[in-house]
Amino acid sequence: DAMVIQNPRYQVTQFGKPVTLSCSQTLNHNVMYWYQQKSSQAPKLLFHYYDKDFNNEADTPDNFQSRRPNTSFCFLDIRSPGLGDAAMYLCATSTTPGQGWRGYEQYFGPGTRLTVT
Amino acid sequence: GNSVTQMEGPVTLSEEAFLTINCTYTATGYPSLFWYVQYPGEGLQLLLKATKADDKGSNKGFEATYRKETTSFHLEKGSVQVSDSAVYFCALANSGGSNYKLTFGKGTLLTVNP
Repeated sequence: DAMVIQNPRYQVTQFGKPVTLSCSQTLNHNVMYWYQQKSSQAPKLLFHYYDKDFNNEADTPDNFQSRRPNTSFCFLDIRSPGLGDAAMYLCATSTTPGQGWRGYEQYFGPGTRLTVT
Repeated sequence: GNSVTQMEGPVTLSEEAFLTINCTYTATGYPSLFWYVQYPGEGLQLLLKATKADDKGSNKGFEATYRKETTSFHLEKGSVQVSDSAVYFCALANSGGSNYKLTFGKGTLLTVNP
């Protein structure tokens, strides 16, 4: 089945120690998103890639970076995690007009739960 | 700008009860509307969607109708099951250049007791 895969499902890192979360997709969608979701809250968009074009949200801290080396993979790098960065991180994908357009619906991965000690 | 307001939770129901979760939106133009469901410890799954006024989205016994006159997209199910216990998010999407973003409501936690 075509899907969005996130690894690892659970990640523990130390305060200030860089960490990378990964996302891969077999859907061949050209838009990929990273969200941060804290307990009992809605997902908060950090940034998204439209193909290789990076789009950062205005309130995303500089501590968060992303890479998309090819269509299938996208990485979230947290350069110096703080206690406040402990959260679920969700990756999602979507199509665009001219690429099997399915409207604006997004397809989510299962998430990576990040713990900062 | 775009915004979504959904019913505050938590909502607790007995099995086979009727469910309504209210959702209203503010947006320019003609947004697409969605309900996503999130089971404990998992990512979001698209439950249903509607892309134009008077469209009814339906899936797994859940329904929601896009009402432009009342800017609403309320989620309903006639008979809930314990397995429906989850957090439900109402969301909208509006085009804007290359910004294919979703605007989410705050989510409603549903607990169904046997």
